[in-house]
Amino acid sequence: GAVVSQHPSRVICKSGTSVKIECRSLDFQATTMFWYRQFPKQSLMLMATSNEGSKATYEQGVEKDKFLINHASLTLSTLTVTSAHPEDSSFYICSAGKPRGLAGGRFTDTQYFGPGTRLTVL
Amino acid sequence: GQSLEQPSEVTAVEGAIVQINCTYQTSGFYGLSWYQQHDGGAPTFLSYNGLDGLEETGRFSSFLSRSDSYGYLLLQELQMKDSASYFCAVRDKGGYQKVTFGTGTKLQVIP
Repeated sequence: GAVVSQHPSRVICKSGTSVKIECRSLDFQATTMFWYRQFPKQSLMLMATSNEGSKATYEQGVEKDKFLINHASLTLSTLTVTSAHPEDSSFYICSAGKPRGLAGGRFTDTQYFGPGTRLTVL
Repeated sequence: GQSLEQPSEVTAVEGAIVQINCTYQTSGFYGLSWYQQHDGGAPTFLSYNGLDGLEETGRFSSFLSRSDSYGYLLLQELQMKDSASYFCAVRDKGGYQKVTFGTGTKLQVIP
């Protein structure tokens, strides 16, 4: 298998503060990591693709100035929620891909997820 | 764009077999995966189909028909601990590309 960790697992903060969430691949290198947000009883919604050594790619509707992503090394990506507000309260999950092999003649990978960070903004 | 549809809820009896369907519409296709997520936890990988047919992993099997844009997850000998949400997921490109998740199916296993 593969292990992806996240820190912190849970954070409560006041409105207007910034919160940093770390995502680490512990036993493999990940040139690409993904950040998701999940609201209660809903599916995972991709926020952005974090690329090591370059700028993140954000999904439509996600504010890149509010959700800052830094992928400083092959094992670490960070998501900073700036000036958090109550509507940012959610479950944030990162994932990283590990090689799986070929499918339909093309290389593919399996996504391994971190344990998630539950953010509550008061 | 991508869209994946799943039934929202399924209830089944302990020891029985349950099938969770997934239909998808994608611009390209490089595999269908299935993930399990317990309440409050992160998704965990269950199964992957890159080509048509059935993949078996213990009590879980997954099937894919690319011509029908359809797949399913089959859970056999259901256990109470199988109560969770199950998501199908597709990517439209190979390699380390983003994955789009389905709407999710909440499975409740009852005694």
